[in-house]
Amino acid sequence: RKEVEQDPGPFNVPEGATVAFNCTYSNSASQSFFWYRQDCRKEPKLLMSVYSSGNEDGRFTAQLNRASQYISLLIRDSKLSDSATYLCVVQNTGTASKLTFGTGTRLQVTL
Amino acid sequence: EPEVTQTPSHQVTQMGQEVILRCVPISNHLYFYWYRQILGQKVEFLVSFYNNEISEKSEIFDDQFSVERPDGSNFTLKIRSTKLEDSAMYFCASAPPDNLDTQYFGPGTRLTVL
Repeated sequence: RKEVEQDPGPFNVPEGATVAFNCTYSNSASQSFFWYRQDCRKEPKLLMSVYSSGNEDGRFTAQLNRASQYISLLIRDSKLSDSATYLCVVQNTGTASKLTFGTGTRLQVTL
Repeated sequence: EPEVTQTPSHQVTQMGQEVILRCVPISNHLYFYWYRQILGQKVEFLVSFYNNEISEKSEIFDDQFSVERPDGSNFTLKIRSTKLEDSAMYFCASAPPDNLDTQYFGPGTRLTVL
């Protein structure tokens, strides 16, 4: 089983749509969770951390279900500029330990 | 806003040659990392470095790889004898002392081994 599993997509949605991405992770000892965004041939950039209580940043909402080892990202009112690959990332126990990336879900927002 | 920088942006080399990829982490950061991403694949951890020592390394990081912080600003990744399968984007990252869970990535070096 992959450590971090995501639907690769692509998700093609019109501007203004709401889109949701899901991710599962296999290591129950994972401590920290993130969504990163990666544009084509660019570096990953932190979008948001994910907490058990759920967290929201503008149009983006992230949720974590530790019991199911499941992470989600919801994007409301999609913009053309949201087109990118969204990477689900987990970090295991230990200070500043390595990040483990999923393969990413590609989003294409169209007019 | 401070950024992680990497040079060169693109390196082309012949199989068997040595390459050194350079990174300048953000100045007050203490933890440094190298990751790689083969085209079309996921980002993979190579090595982490703290207090002038390797903290953690992956199976990929074999004897052909080494890291060094030769001075107070640079962090380098050396591949001693490159193979075709080393062709990838190599990302350097660093983490600040007050938020060790957040890693900031540089723009990457695209390594092409011919």
